[in-house]
Formats: sequence, C-alpha cells, structure tokens
Amino acid sequence: AQSVTQLDSQVPVFEEAPVELRCNYSSSVSVYLFWYVQYPNQGLQLLLKYLSGSTLVKGINGFEAEFNKSQTSFHLRKPSVHISDTAEYFCAVSPTGTASKLTFGTGTRLQVTL
Amino acid sequence: EAGVTQFPSHSVIEKGQTVTLRCDPISGHDNLYWYRRVMGKEIKFLLHFVKESKQDESGMPNNRFLAERTGGTYSTLKVQPAELEDSGVYFCASSQPGTVNNEQFFGPGTRLTVL
Repeated sequence: AQSVTQLDSQVPVFEEAPVELRCNYSSSVSVYLFWYVQYPNQGLQLLLKYLSGSTLVKGINGFEAEFNKSQTSFHLRKPSVHISDTAEYFCAVSPTGTASKLTFGTGTRLQVTL
Repeated sequence: EAGVTQFPSHSVIEKGQTVTLRCDPISGHDNLYWYRRVMGKEIKFLLHFVKESKQDESGMPNNRFLAERTGGTYSTLKVQPAELEDSGVYFCASSQPGTVNNEQFFGPGTRLTVL
C-alpha cells in the first residue's frame, strides 16, 4: 500500500517570490510520482511526473520537482510565482509497471497575492 | 481532441434518493477511473475499469455504489440510496491502453450534495 503526506494545507506567498510545496510518500514497492494542479472550477491537470532517470523533473508553467529516494520526498518548487498560480496542488503516487490507481495527498492550497 | 467530460457538474439531492453520475473518457482510452474527494480530505480511489471490466473496485465504500461501463465507452456511477456522507466531488479519469507510466487525464468532477 502507498500513502502520501502533504504537510502544508495552505501556503500563502507574494507574487514573484519562490515557493516550495512539500510531499512525502510511503510505499513498499517502487512508485511513479506525480504533481497535479486544480485551478478554481476546473479539473485536475498534470503538472509533472517522475518515472525514472534524472531526479529533477521539469513541468509546465515553470514548476519543477526533485525526487529524493532516501528521504522519500518529491517536493514541488517554482522560483518565482505568479498570481495565476493560485490553485490547489496535489501530490500522487502509483505503483510502477502497470496502469493502476493513484494515491493522493490531501492537497496544498497555494495563495499568491500582490 | 475532447477531454474527459462529466455530467452533471453539480447535483443536490435528498438523503435516500438516487443519483447517477456519468463520465465520458477520452476516445480510445481503455482505462477509466473513479475517484472521490470528501471536503477537506484527500482524493480517494473508488474503482478502475479496463474496457468494460472492473479491474479494481477496492475503493468502493459499500454496496450502495454501483459502477458500470457497458460497451467499454462511457461509465456511470449510481448511488442508491444516497446518504449524507456521500457528499463530495466525484472525479473521473482515463488513460490510454497499456499505459505503463499511468498518466491519467481528469474530468472537471461532479459536486454531489446530499441534504
């Protein structure tokens, strides 16, 4: 079984400041890792994913995440946020090697203000 | 190409009534998933179809929930009778056949409120 922990339920940040959203996971098997974003009144959209290879993954809208196997973390970062990044962000994992369910964290609401 | 669509976007029903949610996956996507988010909590898996077959239904909360995917195209999720704790947002997702990397495409969700 897998579990995902997003310790920060809300993260307020000023525009153009850097941000890091934390994600830790637990799993007895190898996993793929994902970050999804949900903008207001929209569905979930894939930001980025880690499957294998380089531990630094770049996604859409200037976001990136780093997979750290020893710390079982997959933190999401952006060097300079914009008002339009205001949304809820979800970290998720799924077992490797097959199409199967995603296990999500509880989400982090990023609020960007001027 | 159209994305995953869900109908209705919102539903408000009384406890004890029946509601049916519909999901239309991306054309050609054999894998179809249902998830639910109860307010303030994590998005939880309900079940997974591969074409018309239930691959994994370990997340279905109880026998008041019935999911179908006749013909392997769209899917319905029926709740009968609805209880207060069924309120939440129901998401549907789909992915391509044989998807090892498991990129799932999500619909906008159906917000269900049971009064």
